[in-house]
Amino acid sequence: DAGITQSPRYKITETGRQVTLMCHQTWSHSYMFWYRQDLGHGLRLIYYSAAADITDKGEVPDGYVVSRSKTENFPLTLESATRSQTSVYFCASSERSGANVLTFGAGSRLTVL
Amino acid sequence: AQKITQTQPGMFVQEKEAVTLDCTYDTSDPSYGLFWYKQPSSGEMIFLIYQGSYDQQNATEGRYSLNFQKARKSANLVISASQLGDSAMYFCAMRPYFGNEKLTFGTGTRLTIIP
Repeated sequence: DAGITQSPRYKITETGRQVTLMCHQTWSHSYMFWYRQDLGHGLRLIYYSAAADITDKGEVPDGYVVSRSKTENFPLTLESATRSQTSVYFCASSERSGANVLTFGAGSRLTVL
Repeated sequence: AQKITQTQPGMFVQEKEAVTLDCTYDTSDPSYGLFWYKQPSSGEMIFLIYQGSYDQQNATEGRYSLNFQKARKSANLVISASQLGDSAMYFCAMRPYFGNEKLTFGTGTRLTIIP
C-alpha cells in the first residue's frame, strides 16, 4: 500500500533498553522527519533527513540515533531508553522545498517504565 | 530559527458558528510556507491548508481559510460553520522554502464544538 507506515504502533519497554521505531514511505520522498509529541510542547523535531545518507539534528536530538541507508526507510533508535522518552513519535515525509506538505505516519506510542 | 506561537490553549465554540484560531510566527527566512494541521482524538495528523509567503491571496479549502497578514506575521485559521467533527487539536506550523526546510510547530489549540 502507498503511504507512510510506522511500526510498532505501541511499545512498552524498560529503562536502559534499546528500542527502534521503524518508518517506511513508498513515495520516494527526499525528506523524512521524526517528531515527538508531548503535552504542552506540541510536536518537536528530533532528527530529519534530506536524502539517503544525509541526516541532521532537530530541536531535541539527545538520546536518539537515526540512519538512512535507503530513501524509503528512516529508523529511530533510542540506545538506552529513559522515562523522559515516553512519548508519541511521529514520522513524516515530503518532497524537497518548504512549499511541500509533510505527510505523517499514524504515530508510535512508546512507554518507558 | 523559526518560532510559532499559538496563544489559545483551548477554545469552546457553539456549533455552526465561525471560529478563528490564532497563530503568529517569527522567522528571518524571506520565503516560507505556513501550514495548519488537525489532530482528532484518534491521533493522526491531518493537513488542512497551506499559505505561501509570496501568495497574494489568502488560501481557502472548503470551510477552512487562512487569514494571512504578512506584516503582522500572523496566519490565523478560520473555520466557517463549525461542526461537531471539528473538535480536535489544531497546529500551526511553518517551513522555510530553502535551507534547512524543517517544519516547526506551535503548541496547538484544542477546539471543542458545543452542540
